[in-house]
Amino acid sequence: GEDVEQSLFLSVREGDSSVINCTYTDSSSTYLYWYKQEPGAGLQLLTYIFSNMDMKQDQRLTVLLNKKDKHLSLRIADTQTGDSAIYFCAERDWNNNDMRFGAGTRLTVKP
Amino acid sequence: GAGVSQTPSNKVTEKGKYVELRCDPISGHTALYWYRQSLGQGPEFLIYFQGTGAADDSGLPNDRFFAVRPEGSVSTLKIQRTERGDSAVYLCASSSRTDDEQFFGPGTRLTVL
Repeated sequence: GEDVEQSLFLSVREGDSSVINCTYTDSSSTYLYWYKQEPGAGLQLLTYIFSNMDMKQDQRLTVLLNKKDKHLSLRIADTQTGDSAIYFCAERDWNNNDMRFGAGTRLTVKP
Repeated sequence: GAGVSQTPSNKVTEKGKYVELRCDPISGHTALYWYRQSLGQGPEFLIYFQGTGAADDSGLPNDRFFAVRPEGSVSTLKIQRTERGDSAVYLCASSSRTDDEQFFGPGTRLTVL
């Protein structure tokens, strides 16, 4: 089964905020990532956070990390129709080369 | 320069056949990764190269899967005696160093009939 878990679907209205949640199990994970995947396109790195941080903000994106609960969230402010895609949470331990992904959250933005 | 490219974009084959999937990483990137993404799932790590050598092949599902990177740039993922369960999108990524951002290619969609 997945070590990284996400809800599968999220639907919001254009202009609202979207919050995509993720839980992970490996407490030694050093890097936590959010990727975006649009149909027919490769994975695009949106942002990442080191495990010693609680929050990271980058324009419309805010990442929150709760290490105690192993919970990661991605907030997209002022969501646009172009934000419709699948969003993947991923974790990596600096000792390992592989990145472990969740199953992805399909975000649908309605006009 | 260009991003990571993968060929072919789509491959349809019959059960039992042999296939090769190619990845051209970003020029100068020493680290190269292969992932497999099944329908409705996230990518699953297969193998990692640092230069020409496979530094970690722990994700390869069985000995039907093999990958090479003979000159430290282009990599080929080889699947022998394909099975229907091998149908997936095979993603390649490269990074300038092991701990740097991985840039993903668009993937090769493999369908085994």
